[in-house]
Amino acid sequence: EVQLVESGGGLVRPGGSLSLSCVASGFTFSNYPMGWVRQSSGKGLEWVSTIIGDGTATFYTDSAKGRFTISRDNSRNTLFLQMNSLRAEDTATYFCAKDEYHILSGFFDSWGKGTVVTVSS
Amino acid sequence: EIVMTQSPATLSVSPGERATLFCRASETVHNNLVAWYQHRPGQAPRLLIYAASTRATGIPARFTGGGSGAEFTLTISSLQSEDSAVYYCQQYNKWPPLTFGGGTKVEIK
Repeated sequence: EVQLVESGGGLVRPGGSLSLSCVASGFTFSNYPMGWVRQSSGKGLEWVSTIIGDGTATFYTDSAKGRFTISRDNSRNTLFLQMNSLRAEDTATYFCAKDEYHILSGFFDSWGKGTVVTVSS
Repeated sequence: EIVMTQSPATLSVSPGERATLFCRASETVHNNLVAWYQHRPGQAPRLLIYAASTRATGIPARFTGGGSGAEFTLTISSLQSEDSAVYYCQQYNKWPPLTFGGGTKVEIK
């Protein structure tokens, strides 16, 4: 059974940094692209970033470019999202998600339950 | 960027009845590369449908995806209490960015 467990959320001041982690199990982690999707309170899902299986290619939504960095450690089955220069509008629940295909497809067949990030002074 | 627009925002349906959810793209989604997800509060989102009409593993047959081009639908036949959730469509044809619709909240009467 695929399991994705996020951690690292919390309260941070505007301009601050936070690092999210997602530990994966139940599949061969290094074979699959992974992504982060967020949901602000009362709003819909918003894709943030995706990284391919070997970590050599990454993709970001415009608002994350230059501030967020997605990475992975395949030896530890762990996905990361380093978030810098955080803004109030980054406040959301952040979900880790697994791409359906080992060649990048763009949709996600497994998701974690999310970790909450609050950016506030 | 392909904008996905879902309607209605909220749908109230009695148990056993049919619910039809709509998703319109701002341009043609080639190869019908549209997915649908179910999201219950406090839970992980769940993939229901991909490639517009292919049910994901373990998804009950009462969930049916349809449509093509820029117009897509998700039909839930014979609604059950556990189907109360927010449903999202997503295109993965032209990205980045991957884009989701705003969601349709399905309520059970």
